[in-house]
Amino acid sequence: QVQLQQSGAELVKPGSSVKMSCKASGYTFTSYYIYWIKQRPGQGLEWIGRIGPGSGDTNYNEKFKGKATFTVDKSSSTAYMQLSSLTPEDTAVYYCARSAMGIGYWGQGVMVTVSS
Amino acid sequence: NTVMTQSPTSMFTSVGDRVTMSCKASQNVGINVGWYQQKTGQSPKRLIYWASNRDTGVPDRFTGSGSGTDFTLTISNMQAEDPAIYYCLQHNSYPFTFGSGTKLEIK
Repeated sequence: QVQLQQSGAELVKPGSSVKMSCKASGYTFTSYYIYWIKQRPGQGLEWIGRIGPGSGDTNYNEKFKGKATFTVDKSSSTAYMQLSSLTPEDTAVYYCARSAMGIGYWGQGVMVTVSS
Repeated sequence: NTVMTQSPTSMFTSVGDRVTMSCKASQNVGINVGWYQQKTGQSPKRLIYWASNRDTGVPDRFTGSGSGTDFTLTISNMQAEDPAIYYCLQHNSYPFTFGSGTKLEIK
């Protein structure tokens, strides 16, 4: 079965960066896009962008250009997202998800807290 | 960007009720719409893909309809486990965009 296992919660300082992972299993990693989605506490869902693990091609929501960077490691079927120059507005749960007629499968989310 | 406008923002209902919620797209998105259920502390779970197709294991009381700019999610017989926030998503064009959600609660 398709599974997306994300890394653990992070507490980081303003101005720093954080890199989170999303390990895929149960399917051919390179055949489906990985999406990243942000959800601030008590708020709705925001699409950050996507990466094609086979080609490495990316598409970013304009709002997150310069903030988020997507990479993959095909050898371990893992996708990564790095967030830079963190501010309190980056405090959120970040989900990875897989394409399947839109967004079909979701990871459990990573809570990132930006605080001094 | 395509704006997805959901209504109502919240609603109270009773077990056994028929519930209808709406999602309107600011431009034609075809049938490239999904509906998601998110319970407190959980990841979203997709219920409907391509506007009207039920995901595997989703109870048949959940029905999606619409195309173009107007979409509807209907719960035909509200159950005690259905309170959640429901989101629509358009994946017709980048950036994908979500509606702001409809919070469904039991009276």
